[in-house]
Amino acid sequence: AQTVTQSQPEMSVQEAETVTLSCTYDTSESDYYLFWYKQPPSRQMILVIRQEAYKQQNATENRFSVNFQKAAKSFSLKISDSQLGDAAMYFCAYRSSKLNTGGFKTIFGAGTRLFVKA
Amino acid sequence: KAGVTQTPRYLIKTRGQQVTLSCSPISGHRSVSWYQQTPGQGLQFLFEYFSETQRNKGNFPGRFSGRQFSNSRSEMNVSTLELGDSALYLCASSLVDPLAGGVGNEQFFGPGTRLTVL
Repeated sequence: AQTVTQSQPEMSVQEAETVTLSCTYDTSESDYYLFWYKQPPSRQMILVIRQEAYKQQNATENRFSVNFQKAAKSFSLKISDSQLGDAAMYFCAYRSSKLNTGGFKTIFGAGTRLFVKA
Repeated sequence: KAGVTQTPRYLIKTRGQQVTLSCSPISGHRSVSWYQQTPGQGLQFLFEYFSETQRNKGNFPGRFSGRQFSNSRSEMNVSTLELGDSALYLCASSLVDPLAGGVGNEQFFGPGTRLTVL
């Protein structure tokens, strides 16, 4: 079964600085998707960035980028020029790309709470 | 395009009662998933529906059930409520058919229904 591990329960960053959130996962599949979701205090979960496992190029979305290391099964999120609005819970998630015995459920990590200091 | 909507947003019930939660996906999305979020267990997958068929189910007791209608709207029902059922219930919609896999597969979440069982 797939697992997703976020080893940092909390992180703190100074406004305008850069922070990296860690995520590792375990799977025997070769084709899958990885996501970072953000859940602000308002509780609405929003997609930050996604990565297809077959793509070697790391995904980027404005100030958000990932470091995808497939062999190491690592998928970290880098937030550059941190803003106060980035304060939230961040979830790393894994999803199969095709039906298998585990089905299509998305596996979420426990989350990392990010604090941004002014 | 309107996002995923969930009703009601807040609900208070007592032990032994039953509850029905509703989710309307993004227009055009035919896949709907349900998750339970608690501080202790994090985000746990409940079930996923596509075209009125349950595609996958998580490890929850039979008191938790769901269904999807022809217009893709979904309902989740919990019978014989227990104190431990208190949680934020999140619904997410996705464009692609999970059995087809492939491009996309990212999920768009609703604001959630906060269920409190007294």
